[in-house]
Amino acid sequence: EAGVAQSPRYKIIEKRQSVAFWCNPISGHATLYWYQQILGQGPKLLIQFQNNGVVDDSQLPKDRFSAERLKGVDSTLKIQPAKLEDSAVYLCASSPPGLAGGEQYFGPGTRLTVT
Amino acid sequence: QKEVEQNSGPLSVPEGAIASLNCTYSDRGSQSFFWYRQYSGKSPELIMFIYSNGDKEDGRFTAQLNKASQYVSLLIRDSQPSDSATYLCAVTGGGNQFYFGTGTSLTVIP
Repeated sequence: EAGVAQSPRYKIIEKRQSVAFWCNPISGHATLYWYQQILGQGPKLLIQFQNNGVVDDSQLPKDRFSAERLKGVDSTLKIQPAKLEDSAVYLCASSPPGLAGGEQYFGPGTRLTVT
Repeated sequence: QKEVEQNSGPLSVPEGAIASLNCTYSDRGSQSFFWYRQYSGKSPELIMFIYSNGDKEDGRFTAQLNKASQYVSLLIRDSQPSDSATYLCAVTGGGNQFYFGTGTSLTVIP
């Protein structure tokens, strides 16, 4: 079974530029999550999708971050414009039904550096 | 107050010893509790989950939950160097929000 795919793996941009990340979840997983993990911290949930609907985006900085999951499969996360403090690893995860969404499978992440 | 709190460590134990990792949470409505392991430079992976008060054992791992004290712990018996990682506590809140703690770094010394 293929795991969660993410691209790109690494990205370096200058502040005020825009960037987009892509995620393809495990087949059959209806729930998809985007996390931001700053070095030395735990993952912070940015947005959670159930199929193509948003379940929770309370911690998404909506003035600069946006995410979509068209057709309920793959998803993109965009930052526009980027700030220095956005430097982090962006993790995508998906989960099968059950376990209250806690059984999450993570992709390899995208390491973003904003200079 | 953070939703999930962990001692960041680092925690060092000798090989073969018991490692004890602790986590407290603030939302009394929380129902589901998870432990993830994250190796340096890698993504988190689920190792244990627990819903009910008491202990749950899986191989060398034991999760313990005390909802009255809002406390969950993870014990690793016969610790191995390969257990050296950051351990993340995660909680599903009363509103089904999902929160990770900051993680505890564990080093098992051969």
